[in-house]
Amino acid sequence: GAVVSQHPSRVICKSGTSVKIECRSLDFQATTMFWYRQFPKQSLMLMATSNEGSKATYEQGVEKDKFLINHASLTLSTLTVTSAHPEDSSFYICSAQSGGVSYNEQFFGPGTRLTVL
Amino acid sequence: AQSVTQLDSQVPVFEEAPVELRCNYSSSVSVYLFWYVQYPNQGLQLLLKYLSGSTLVKGINGFEAEFNKSQTSFHLRKPSVHISDTAEYFCAVSDLDDKIIFGKGTRLHILP
Repeated sequence: GAVVSQHPSRVICKSGTSVKIECRSLDFQATTMFWYRQFPKQSLMLMATSNEGSKATYEQGVEKDKFLINHASLTLSTLTVTSAHPEDSSFYICSAQSGGVSYNEQFFGPGTRLTVL
Repeated sequence: AQSVTQLDSQVPVFEEAPVELRCNYSSSVSVYLFWYVQYPNQGLQLLLKYLSGSTLVKGINGFEAEFNKSQTSFHLRKPSVHISDTAEYFCAVSDLDDKIIFGKGTRLHILP
């Protein structure tokens, strides 16, 4: 099956610093990637949808200036948490989709656990 | 707007017993339905999906689910669970815009 990787798997940073998380589709080209966050013992909440070569579409309530998303190639999307604060601590999961005219499955990465001290 | 309701936050089941995890959805359009499993500190793994066709869907690890349009349900079942099935299970819905809306999850506890 299709494989999506995320790097790093865990990151601990100081408050006020920026953190970049990478999401890669390893064996397919992903025209669309999605970013989710998951608080402890809660469900996944969609943060944004990114299409290769265009600006990301953010869900209501998600600060686009705080969560910068770049989808520069068909195999890589990055999420940068700028000026991170403890409330940004969460589990961030990406998914990738190959695109097309019919339904296309999303393949999920293993997640990145961010802890902001 | 779409939504997904997982009626049980936790379900304890004895090993080798059957289990049903309940899921109801609401949507004004045709939908795609999914069940995902999440093991501790890991991402999501697709168990099964309903796109169209037969309402009984078989997935991995011996799980199956039945799409019931009249009851707007998509309950997940397994006839005999194992310790390794201990995980969080998410029901999800998507429509033609490809956005997936997740339920709040059901934690399956397998008791020895």
